[in-house]
Amino acid sequence: QKEVEQDPGPLSVPEGAIVSLNCTYSNSAFQYFMWYRQYSRKGPELLMYTYSSGNKEDGRFTAQVDKSSKYISLFIRDSQPSDSATYLCAMRRGGADGLTFGKGTHLIIQP
Amino acid sequence: GAGVSQSPSNKVTEKGKDVELRCDPISGHTALYWYRQSLGQGLEFLIYFQGNSAPDKSGLPSDRFSAERTGGSVSTLTIQRTQQEDSAVYLCASSLQSYGYTFGSGTRLTVV
Repeated sequence: QKEVEQDPGPLSVPEGAIVSLNCTYSNSAFQYFMWYRQYSRKGPELLMYTYSSGNKEDGRFTAQVDKSSKYISLFIRDSQPSDSATYLCAMRRGGADGLTFGKGTHLIIQP
Repeated sequence: GAGVSQSPSNKVTEKGKDVELRCDPISGHTALYWYRQSLGQGLEFLIYFQGNSAPDKSGLPSDRFSAERTGGSVSTLTIQRTQQEDSAVYLCASSLQSYGYTFGSGTRLTVV
């Protein structure tokens, strides 16, 4: 079993829909959880950063962490064609540890 | 600079040749990471530098790969005797502790 599992997609939804992206993980020691967005031929950019369980909202984006289920989610409201990208989840144990990444979900927002 | 800078952005090399990839991290970031991203394979950790500590080389796939970081700033990833399976995007990232990474745009390496 991989440490972090993420459905590669592609996930295709119409513009304006709510998008749900998810990752599961096996290491209960993970405490810091991140979502990165990667456009084609670009490096990943940090989108959301959360510590431990709970929700965090930033504009149209909401990150959720459920440590009891080892499950994290990223919700995108009012999705736009410009949200089309690959979304990678990432997590770490302590602040000085390296990140473990999911393989990424390719998201397509249809105009 | 404002971000992580990587050069060259693209590199085509012949099998068997050596290549050097450069990363200039964000000023003040003590941690520097190299990752490799192949199509459909996700991000593969290669090596990690933290301050003046010995680097974590646990992700380097073979002894053909090496990296150094001079003066706690610029880093160079060297691949000797390149093979076709080395073709990938090589990403560098830097960070302060307790936060996420800032990635560069990567070097797309093609070995022909």
